Amino acid sequence: DSGVTQTPKHLITATGQRVTLRCSPRSGDLSVYWYQQSLDQGLQFLIQYYNGEERAKGNILERFSAQQFPDLHSELNLSSLELGDSALYFCASSVSRLAGGQETQYFGPGTRLLVL
Amino acid sequence: AQTVTQSQPEMSVQEAETVTLSCTYDTSESDYYLFWYKQPPSRQMILVIRQEAYKQQNATENRFSVNFQKAAKSFSLKISDSQLGDAAMYFCAYRSLNTGTASKLTFGTGTRLQVTL
Repeated sequence: DSGVTQTPKHLITATGQRVTLRCSPRSGDLSVYWYQQSLDQGLQFLIQYYNGEERAKGNILERFSAQQFPDLHSELNLSSLELGDSALYFCASSVSRLAGGQETQYFGPGTRLLVL
Repeated sequence: AQTVTQSQPEMSVQEAETVTLSCTYDTSESDYYLFWYKQPPSRQMILVIRQEAYKQQNATENRFSVNFQKAAKSFSLKISDSQLGDAAMYFCAYRSLNTGTASKLTFGTGTRLQVTL
């Protein structure tokens, strides 16, 4: 158990719908990262938050957004869903955003999203 | 941009034997971290081992060790005394240490390891 929790574990929805994925980082971790794992794109970085602020964006679609709350949990919002959004979405957390620190990203169990 | 290449989509090893998974990467940076993550059928991403680029000594974690060749930009994972529980997808990942760069992980495409009796 990495200490990172994600809910829900599975999500089935229809095209055009909107869903919210939730992540609680390990105790003490300030950074949260979202990754998408799909068959055709592999594991891709979406976005990073540090202590409530957006730190970096990767290959995140405009239909997707995220935020990190004062209690440090994070939510990833996916809207206008398409079939191609079906994937495993991981949240990871680490202690600090500071480069040079010995931070390691610990992954949650993921949310499996299926868009029908 | 950094890229990570895993050229072996699948590997197989007999129980108790040793197997080496390959990873190469491309970067212009001198300071970075490299990781191997394991993803078993449960799909959980589990950290196996980490290597700091400034360290010449290869990292070791029990039966897992790496061969880090900085000049060649190569980072292979050796699994000794393979066990059935080692069967999984293994991902090589790169993380920059530049202060102006986000701490994202860049992953390779993975190597699926089968362990046979």
